[in-house]
Amino acid sequence: KAGVTQTPRYLIKTRGQQVTLSCSPISGHRSVSWYQQTPGQGLQFLFEYFSETQRNKGNFPGRFSGRQFSNSRSEMNVSTLELGDSALYLCATSAGGASWNEQFFGPGTRLTVL
Amino acid sequence: AQTVTQSQPEMSVQEAETVTLSCTYDTSENNYYLFWYKQPPSRQMILVIRQEAYKQQNATENRFSVNFQKAAKSFSLKISDSQLGDTAMYFCAFASFTGTASKLTFGTGTRLQVTL
Repeated sequence: KAGVTQTPRYLIKTRGQQVTLSCSPISGHRSVSWYQQTPGQGLQFLFEYFSETQRNKGNFPGRFSGRQFSNSRSEMNVSTLELGDSALYLCATSAGGASWNEQFFGPGTRLTVL
Repeated sequence: AQTVTQSQPEMSVQEAETVTLSCTYDTSENNYYLFWYKQPPSRQMILVIRQEAYKQQNATENRFSVNFQKAAKSFSLKISDSQLGDTAMYFCAFASFTGTASKLTFGTGTRLQVTL
């Protein structure tokens, strides 16, 4: 079974630009969660999508948004990039459903904002 | 809001020895999940072990075991017979028992170095 894939793996942008990151879940997984990992703030939950609906949301400004498609692939978008948005963005996918299912993480997208 | 604290930023252990990583957390909930995740230098996060708070028995997965002290809100990870492949960042994480527990709150991590 193929693992969680994230594209692109590396990205360099400048302040003010916007960026879109993609996450393709393991086949059969319907839940996709996004996390931001920085040296200063650690790992922070951004949001979760399940069946094309945002089911959970962290404490990030509205510049961070996401969506999920009917094939469960998810994208997250960051608009008006700031230097502090430089981070490793991880997605994690699971089967979803009504009880706990193990989350599997992707390799991440390293975003650098100059 | 829940918080997770890992007070050991770095630890080192010799191969074949045993090491214990500490984690404390704060929550007002009675039922919840606790996890230890491993992030090797390649950066792909892997679940090491899971504990449900309502279970008194400590979880064990091969060389990995936890010491769960609910009253003290403590959740330590013991790695026995350490191997070079155990070198990684280890994160303690909390999730509410409600719903699918998909929202993880992580600690700041402990960098573990296994040496020869």
